[in-house]
Amino acid sequence: EAQVTQNPRYLITVTGKKLTVTCSQNMNHEYMSWYRQDPGLGLRQIYYSMNVEVTDKGDVPEGYKVSRKEKRNFPLILESPSPNQTSLYFCASSLYRGKQETQYFGPGTRLLVL
Amino acid sequence: GNSVTQMEGPVTLSEEAFLTINCTYTATGYPSLFWYVQYPGEGLQLLLKATKADDKGSNKGFEATYRKETTSFHLEKGSVQVSDSAVYFCALSLNTGNQFYFGTGTSLTVIP
Repeated sequence: EAQVTQNPRYLITVTGKKLTVTCSQNMNHEYMSWYRQDPGLGLRQIYYSMNVEVTDKGDVPEGYKVSRKEKRNFPLILESPSPNQTSLYFCASSLYRGKQETQYFGPGTRLLVL
Repeated sequence: GNSVTQMEGPVTLSEEAFLTINCTYTATGYPSLFWYVQYPGEGLQLLLKATKADDKGSNKGFEATYRKETTSFHLEKGSVQVSDSAVYFCALSLNTGNQFYFGTGTSLTVIP
């Protein structure tokens, strides 16, 4: 089944403790992206990747890192999480970069930073 | 800057009522426009899209027309069902295709 998977689905952590949220897609997509969803703000793009080893900042990259060493994986790294990073995170992918491309979303990761 | 503005929710309708969710945008160039739907506990999935002015996207009885003159992409459905209850997001993608901008989402509840 074609899908985008994220792990973990739920995570509670404490301020300053490094964490990684994994994202994997099995559709051979070139483009991948991370979003955070907050009430009243909708989805905001954190980082995106156009292909292996090619990443760039979205609208809200502060406090986050990403890497794209393999085509299928695009982990989101929070090196020193803070409470304002408590949010619902979505990974998405599309076949190519392009304004008409449909994005396929993962099920989301709900993060609470205490 | 680039942005998407959606009508405030939540919206509650009776089954078979007519639905309109307003969406307007601000963007440089000629973006593509999308409506995504999020069912409870799930990720977003594409509902419909339009890639150029005057295009109409349609799917599952939903429609939206890309209006460049009014910078709008309003979502409509003639007769909603209980199963349409979800959060609807309007979004745009710029010419580069790298960045996407989403509205705040509109929650729809359809009651029998």
